[in-house]
Amino acid sequence: AQSVAQPEDQVNVAEGNPLTVKCTYSVSGNPYLFWYVQYPNRGLQFLLKYITGDNLVKGSYGFEAEFNKSQTSFHLKKPSALVSDSALYFCAVYNQAGTALIFGKGTTLSVSS
Amino acid sequence: EAGVAQSPRYKIIEKRQSVAFWCNPISGHATLYWYQQILGQGPKLLIQFQNNGVVDDSQLPKDRFSAERLKGVDSTLKIQPAKLEDSAVYLCASSLGGQPYGYTFGSGTRLTVV
Repeated sequence: AQSVAQPEDQVNVAEGNPLTVKCTYSVSGNPYLFWYVQYPNRGLQFLLKYITGDNLVKGSYGFEAEFNKSQTSFHLKKPSALVSDSALYFCAVYNQAGTALIFGKGTTLSVSS
Repeated sequence: EAGVAQSPRYKIIEKRQSVAFWCNPISGHATLYWYQQILGQGPKLLIQFQNNGVVDDSQLPKDRFSAERLKGVDSTLKIQPAKLEDSAVYLCASSLGGQPYGYTFGSGTRLTVV
């Protein structure tokens, strides 16, 4: 069965430093991988997705993600963190039928000034 | 483009009462999803509609939850009777349909059962 794992409940970084939020996946077939962000009392917002092609995917708000097939990972990255990046981040993958997204448990990113 | 609309934003009910949530998806999006997000967990799919037909409701607790999508547009999710463990955020999302498309989510309804 398709699944994603986010091994860290919380990531803390200082403003201006690079950030990484980790995600690993388990799929049969080609993975369709997504990152979403959730701000307090808001719905989830799309950041980026990997379908096929370049392993480095660029998305909204300066975020990017690196798809690594050998390590079955899809880590979210940003070169320089902002305090406003503090939020809850979810990795997701399509189910085997390709009809609905399965979400990880989420990682809280806290950026300090 | 207008987003996914959900109402109400917040609801507090006593256990064993009933509650209903409403969702209006993005115009033209054939696929509509209801997810349950319990505090500290990722969203869990409850039900998926394609137009006005159900694609997947395998994780919907059918003894107490029901959902419908009228004329392939708006959708309602109902809980009757509610239990304490139903306290969660209920998220509605719409999509053009399956992979490789992403979703657009509404702001959610936060349900507290006391």
